[in-house]
Parts: sequence; structure tokens; C-alpha cells
Amino acid sequence: QKEVEQNSGPLSVPEGAIASLNCTYSDRGSQSFFWYRQYSGKSPELIMSIYSNGDKEDGRFTAQLNKASQYVSLLIRDSQPSDSATYLCAVNRPSGNKLVFGAGTILRVKS
Amino acid sequence: DADVTQTPRNRITKTGKRIMLECSQTKGHDRMYWYRQDPGLGLQLIYYSFDVKDINKGEISDGYSVSRQAQAKFSLSLESAIPNQTALYFCATSEAGQGIQETQYFGPGTRLLVL
Repeated sequence: QKEVEQNSGPLSVPEGAIASLNCTYSDRGSQSFFWYRQYSGKSPELIMSIYSNGDKEDGRFTAQLNKASQYVSLLIRDSQPSDSATYLCAVNRPSGNKLVFGAGTILRVKS
Repeated sequence: DADVTQTPRNRITKTGKRIMLECSQTKGHDRMYWYRQDPGLGLQLIYYSFDVKDINKGEISDGYSVSRQAQAKFSLSLESAIPNQTALYFCATSEAGQGIQETQYFGPGTRLLVL
């Protein structure tokens, strides 16, 4: 089992719809969860971080964390073509204070 | 100016050559990391350094070495490049003392092609 798993996609949504991206992790001791956006050939850019159970909203983005189910998600409301990118889920590995990344989900927003 | 810079941005080399990728940061962060990214595999940690005198191997350190010349500089070397080291390489930094909120910030990347 991979430490951090994401559906590779591509996830295709129409412009204006809600895009839902999911991530599961294996280490129950993890306490920090991050979503990075990566455009093709570019570097990962942090868009959301979440540390406690529940929802965290920032503009059109909402991160959701459920530690009991070891599940973290990212919702993008009113999706725009400019949201088309790969979304990387990253989870801290408590031993050694390092991040483990999922392989990423490709999101395509169709206009 | 960018907070984290990487040089070169693109590099083509031949099998067996030694090459160095450099990373510099002006964020004042103590911690620096080197990752490689292959299509469909996400980011894999090669080496990391929590301060100038602290160097640690990551998941895929074989064939690589690093040097932390100063707090702001962290270099990655491929001693004898091989084609399966063709990848996108990223440097990242983070600030110590942030607890669970410690966040990594990435440089622009170096695209390496080994022929």
C-alpha cells in the first residue's frame, strides 16, 4: 500500500462545476496535510494546508480532513479553465519530519 | 526576485558525466530538500538537510550526493549520470520551528536529460 494515494485521473469537469479531488494516507500519526497545484513543467505551488478534522475554506478552495478515515479532499468551486493542472496531496511523515507526496490527480476544466 | 532559484533550468548531458545542480534561497529557511519527479510517480525525496552540518538520505539517494555550502545553498551532484536519472528535479525549503505547520516551498525546477 502506498503511503499517499490519489486517483491519477484525468478528472474532467465543465467550467463552473465543483471539482472534487481525493487523497488517502496510511500513517495514522500524520498531522499535516497539504494540497499543491502543479502546472505542466512548473513547480508545485501550495494552495491549501489543513491540520485538524473538518473543513477549511479559502476562496474557491475547501480542504476537508477526516483523520478517522485517513482521508483528505480538496473541493474547487466554480472551476475555471485556469484550474486545469495536476493536484498533489502531501502528508507529513511524523518520523523524520518529512513530506510524502501522492502521484497527483490531473484536473481538466472544460470551457 | 524569486525566493528559491535553481541553476541550470535545463541540462542535457551524456551517460557517465558528472553534473551538479544548484539551489539558492533568500527565504532564510534552515531546511532544504532535493526531489526528483518522474511522470506518474509524484515527488520522491533524494536528500535533505536541516542545517549546514546536517545531511540526510531520502528515499532514492543512490547515485546522488549533496553539499550544503551555506544556509542558503544546497547542491545536488550526479556522480556518473545514467539515462534513468532523466527527470525533473526540484529544490524545496522550509522553516524550522513551525511544528505541524511547517510548509515546503519549491524552486522552479531543473529539467535534466541524460543521453
